[in-house]
Amino acid sequence: DQQVKQNSPSLSVQEGRISILNCDYTNSMFDYFLWYKKYPAEGPTFLISISSIKDKNEDGRFTVFLNKSAKHLSLHIVPSQPGDSAVYFCAAETSGSRLTFGEGTQLTVNP
Amino acid sequence: NAGVMQNPRHLVRRRGQEARLRCSPMKGHSHVYWYRQLPEEGLKFMVYLQKENIIDESGMPKERFSAEFPKEGPSILRIQQVVRGDSAAYFCASSPGGYNEQFFGPGTRLTVL
Repeated sequence: DQQVKQNSPSLSVQEGRISILNCDYTNSMFDYFLWYKKYPAEGPTFLISISSIKDKNEDGRFTVFLNKSAKHLSLHIVPSQPGDSAVYFCAAETSGSRLTFGEGTQLTVNP
Repeated sequence: NAGVMQNPRHLVRRRGQEARLRCSPMKGHSHVYWYRQLPEEGLKFMVYLQKENIIDESGMPKERFSAEFPKEGPSILRIQQVVRGDSAAYFCASSPGGYNEQFFGPGTRLTVL
């Protein structure tokens, strides 16, 4: 039972353009959502989060949007940079406990 | 403030041996989580601990796996009688608790020969 899904295994964009990574969830009890970035042979690095009481959170080049009615969230990166190339994981949480992760999306930003 | 520390970074074991993975949380963090990433998959929750207490172990295999977070010292994930299917990256994360981000360590890559 995959409660958090990232349907795109990979995404390729040009440097300077916008990257949009998508994530869907099925469990309506999730109330906190996070995005992590992961390089090979390293642990995930926290990027940005959003509480279910909000629909948008922005931090520099990164913005997360939450659509609760559609059970969908997205991460926008603008402008994209080659250093952003990594695997991005969406994660969801209930009551400050364990994280449920999506399968990840490999983002490649081409110079 | 040092980040989450895990050791060893790489561990090779033969089938039937024991594997011990260690995790030191960030300073001030009393909540520890263990996750496993199998090849070509996302991270899967295993266990959530606070000092001297297991809060949620619903992701732990029923046999051979155990975890602890003693009053003093690191959290330990122990795998007894390892099998080839245990080969994976094991990540530890910590948080101050509540609705806070979890910060991950670099992981331990276990290879079972």
